[in-house]
Amino acid sequence: QQPVQSPQAVILREGEDAVINCSSSKALYSVHWYRQKHGEAPVFLMILLKGGEQKGHEKISASFNEKKQQSSLYLTASQLSYSGTYFCGTGGGVYKLSFGAGTTVTVRA
Amino acid sequence: DTGVSQNPRHKITKRGQNVTFRCDPISEHNRLYWYRQTLGQGPEFLTYFQNEAQLEKSRLLSDRFSAERPKGSFSTLEIQRTEQGDSAMYLCASSLDRYPGLEQYFGPGTRLTVT
Repeated sequence: QQPVQSPQAVILREGEDAVINCSSSKALYSVHWYRQKHGEAPVFLMILLKGGEQKGHEKISASFNEKKQQSSLYLTASQLSYSGTYFCGTGGGVYKLSFGAGTTVTVRA
Repeated sequence: DTGVSQNPRHKITKRGQNVTFRCDPISEHNRLYWYRQTLGQGPEFLTYFQNEAQLEKSRLLSDRFSAERPKGSFSTLEIQRTEQGDSAMYLCASSLDRYPGLEQYFGPGTRLTVT
């Protein structure tokens, strides 16, 4: 079953912060975050495994609460290059991912 | 490493024709995945291989779809008797089967248009 992402879209000015949420109705083993720009392949950002860890990639970080079956992606001090559609992929195991419908992030100068 | 590559990048075919796509994964990756993505949606899992063994197929994958990964290297995805509903971006991804290394790296995709 597809995870649910919120919000569907967000518009930011450079330097602003945003949070993207991903929730599942199924028990999760892993959450994978990707960013996809128009016409390009999804680019891997980070993976979080069961254990509630938080990871970071540049000024993008994420948390995973397996009890709540939720993950959040934090965009800090956004840059123009952060624009794109962010997908969370969730897995009951570590191979088969179900992706949400995505959150479109637009960062404006 | 040059990453995951896919060929062709674009394919236009007439309804009823067969098409075949190729994916070359990152060389040391033993897992290979196929996904389908339509406009405004996230990638949708189709099937995956562990080396040359196809271990799971989505229920979405009708009998018209077949995938192979001979010798555990490149993979092919064939669609027989294409239908307009098959029009989509077909993405291939690869990964290792152990941590760290579980992250899936995607290729550029093959965009299929069925007319």
